[in-house]
Amino acid sequence: GNSVTQMEGPVTLSEEAFLTINCTYTATGYPSLFWYVQYPGEGLQLLLKATKADDKGSNKGFEATYRKETTSFHLEKGSVQVSDSAVYFCALIQGAQKLVFGQGTRLTINP
Amino acid sequence: DAMVIQNPRYQVTQFGKPVTLSCSQTLNHNVMYWYQQKSSQAPKLLFHYYDKDFNNEADTPDNFQSRRPNTSFCFLDIRSPGLGDAAMYLCATGHSGANEKLFFGSGTQLSVL
Repeated sequence: GNSVTQMEGPVTLSEEAFLTINCTYTATGYPSLFWYVQYPGEGLQLLLKATKADDKGSNKGFEATYRKETTSFHLEKGSVQVSDSAVYFCALIQGAQKLVFGQGTRLTINP
Repeated sequence: DAMVIQNPRYQVTQFGKPVTLSCSQTLNHNVMYWYQQKSSQAPKLLFHYYDKDFNNEADTPDNFQSRRPNTSFCFLDIRSPGLGDAAMYLCATGHSGANEKLFFGSGTQLSVL
């Protein structure tokens, strides 16, 4: 079945540092890929998405590129802020409309 | 404007006392989902409705039931909550067809005493 694997957290960085959160997936065919963010005590918000190979999703300074050759969708940001502290989930959806999540990566940004 | 609304935001119930969580949507999406998210874990799909068709995940306990009286509303019923059912419950909606994103509500945090 489909699955998503994220780098294990927690991740702690200083403000203005470069961020990478790795995500790889297993799926047949061409799923759509997503990054969702969850702030403390809140539901999930879509951060960005990509629907086909080589697409780059971007939002709020975050980027991720759909790489079919490496089955990856790594999340990056050039300069993180304290307000980026949250849990980040990589996810995919395909066919039967079931969103499959990775295990989540908790990110903490220190001033 | 909130598009997927979950009520209540926080729910406290007693061990074994039935509880119902509600979800409404203004998006007119034909697919609605219920996820369970325990602390520091990924959301886990319990079931979903494709229009009126109910789709239960194989490992969802019988203790969890759902109702969808119309397109806009969906309910999660926990018949006899146990301590292990304390979690955040997330409702989401989506449009069938293309692999599009899901829209999530803010969740209901359920505590079982």
